[in-house]
Amino acid sequence: GAVVSQHPSRVICKSGTSVKIECRSLDFQATTMFWYRQFPKQSLMLMATSNEGSKATYEQGVEKDKFLINHASLTLSTLTVTSAHPEDSSFYICSASDWQGAGNEQFFGPGTRLTVL
Amino acid sequence: DAKTTQPPSMDCAEGRAANLPCNHSTISGNEYVYWYRQIHSQGPQYIIHGLKNNETNEMASLIITEDRKSSTLILPHATLRDTAVYYCIVIRGEGTYKYIFGTGTRLKVLA
Repeated sequence: GAVVSQHPSRVICKSGTSVKIECRSLDFQATTMFWYRQFPKQSLMLMATSNEGSKATYEQGVEKDKFLINHASLTLSTLTVTSAHPEDSSFYICSASDWQGAGNEQFFGPGTRLTVL
Repeated sequence: DAKTTQPPSMDCAEGRAANLPCNHSTISGNEYVYWYRQIHSQGPQYIIHGLKNNETNEMASLIITEDRKSSTLILPHATLRDTAVYYCIVIRGEGTYKYIFGTGTRLKVLA
């Protein structure tokens, strides 16, 4: 099956700093990538959808200036949490889709655990 | 978007079949039922999907009722490694479409 990787797997940072998380599709071209956030014992919440070469579409309530998403190539998307605060501590998961006109299965990365001190 | 309803938790004895139900009474004709599971602190893992016929793969079976308003995921011989949160999602069959995750069912397989 298609493989999606994330880097780093976990990161600890100080409050006020920015953190970048990478999401890569290793063996397919991802026309669309999605970013989710998951708090402890809760379900995944979609943050944004990004298509290669265009601006991301953010879900309601997600601050686009705080969570910067770049999808510059068909195999890489990045999420930058700017001026991170303790409340941004969460499990961030990306997924990728290689939709070719039929079916829309998403392939998920292993997740990145962010802890903001 | 069709919404799904799942029981919050279930227990299953190791070696027995685990039957996980999902209600999707507002599903449309062109919407598929997808099942994923998430083992603690990992990304979701695809299990199986179907439109209207029953499906089986190496991991599980999916039974969809004739009216398509509900489905059941069957793990035929549950093991301790099947302990996870199982999500049922309904999505369109064409185009890149965002997933809306519900609360899922937390399955605990007991030794």
